[in-house]
Amino acid sequence: GQSLEQPSEVTAVEGAIVQINCTYQTSGFYGLSWYQQHDGGAPTFLSYNALDGLEETGRFSSFLSRSDSYGYLLLQELQMKDSASYFCAVTRAGNMLTFGGGTRLMVKP
Amino acid sequence: GAVVSQHPSWVICKSGTSVKIECRSLDFQATTMFWYRQFPKQSLMLMATSNEGSKATYEQGVEKDKFLINHASLTLSTLTVTSAHPEDSSFYICSASLPGANVLTFGAGSRLTVL
Repeated sequence: GQSLEQPSEVTAVEGAIVQINCTYQTSGFYGLSWYQQHDGGAPTFLSYNALDGLEETGRFSSFLSRSDSYGYLLLQELQMKDSASYFCAVTRAGNMLTFGGGTRLMVKP
Repeated sequence: GAVVSQHPSWVICKSGTSVKIECRSLDFQATTMFWYRQFPKQSLMLMATSNEGSKATYEQGVEKDKFLINHASLTLSTLTVTSAHPEDSSFYICSASLPGANVLTFGAGSRLTVL
């Protein structure tokens, strides 16, 4: 089966840095993705890691260690608009995604 | 970039009726589309993989006779919730990817409320 674990909630203040961890157990792993979802909205793609290492896109970075079945999303210079749910997802064959339970990030002033 | 359009964005229906949700890839052809369901404050659960020109592949526990999926063209997949009941009330989201890409683009979702 597939399982992904991530913290359910994280709280931080504006301007801070937050790291959301994700561990996974899965078969047929192709890569780890991160999606952002605001309340009532659809998920939007943030990043994708197929290989070990760090991928940086603006204020967001994502890391993957395949040997540890572990990844994280790093959000820097937090803004109020970053308050949302963040999902890690494993990509399997055929572009099928299995999502983690999601981490609700609350950014406070 | 890839754009996925989903319609309707919300629908309210009476128990026992059927509801159809459309998912279109606007600027690309999608041989495969995915249908997810999300209950409040929960994760996205894959319901089925919609394959153009063939039968959908359903995830374990998803009733194929209740959630009918049709993928008749390379740009359109439909999900019909048949004989809907209040427990079917949920957020249904479709997704697709550009050929060769590892990124899924999601539609805006359809919020179904069954009274």
